[in-house]
Amino acid sequence: AQTVTQSQPEMSVQEAETVTLSCTYDTSESNYYLFWYKQPPSRQMILVIRQEAYKQQNATENRFSVNFQKAAKSFSLKISDSQLGDTAMYFCALQYSGGGADGLTFGKGTHLIIQP
Amino acid sequence: KAGVTQTPRYLIKTRGQQVTLSCSPISGHRSVSWYQQTPGQGLQFLFEYFSETQRNKGNFPGRFSGRQFSNSRSEMNVSTLELGDSALYLCASSAIPGSREQYFGPGTRLTVT
Repeated sequence: AQTVTQSQPEMSVQEAETVTLSCTYDTSESNYYLFWYKQPPSRQMILVIRQEAYKQQNATENRFSVNFQKAAKSFSLKISDSQLGDTAMYFCALQYSGGGADGLTFGKGTHLIIQP
Repeated sequence: KAGVTQTPRYLIKTRGQQVTLSCSPISGHRSVSWYQQTPGQGLQFLFEYFSETQRNKGNFPGRFSGRQFSNSRSEMNVSTLELGDSALYLCASSAIPGSREQYFGPGTRLTVT
């Protein structure tokens, strides 16, 4: 079974700063996807960014980028020019490509607070 | 394109009762997965349906069951409710199982008293 670990329960930064959220995972599979989801107070789970394990190039979506280190099984999220609307719970998740017995495996989450 | 819808959004039930939650996926999506979110256990996979068949099930007791209809809408049922079943239940929609694109609904908040 795979596991996902987020070691930072809570982080707080000032608006416009850059922040990095950490995620490590463990899996014996070679074909999988990694995701970062955002869950604001509305509880709606929103996909922020995804990375295919077979791709060496790090994914980027506007202010959001990842640092994917496959050998180290690390998948961190960098948010540049942070905004008040980025305040939310952030979950790192893993899924085997093609589907697997455990669906999406989530970390415990990091509560990110952007201070004005 | 309409997003994933879940009904009802909020529900209060009493211990011992049963409950049915509904999830309508994005049009054209045939895979629906269900997750339970609690403060203590976090997000846990319940089960996944594709083309009206349950493909996988997480580590939950038999009181948790589900089904999927021919229009891809899915329902999950919890019988003999316990206090610990209080949670946010989320469903995720994708075109096929294990897709790189999964979209979540707004969730159903179940409170068991």
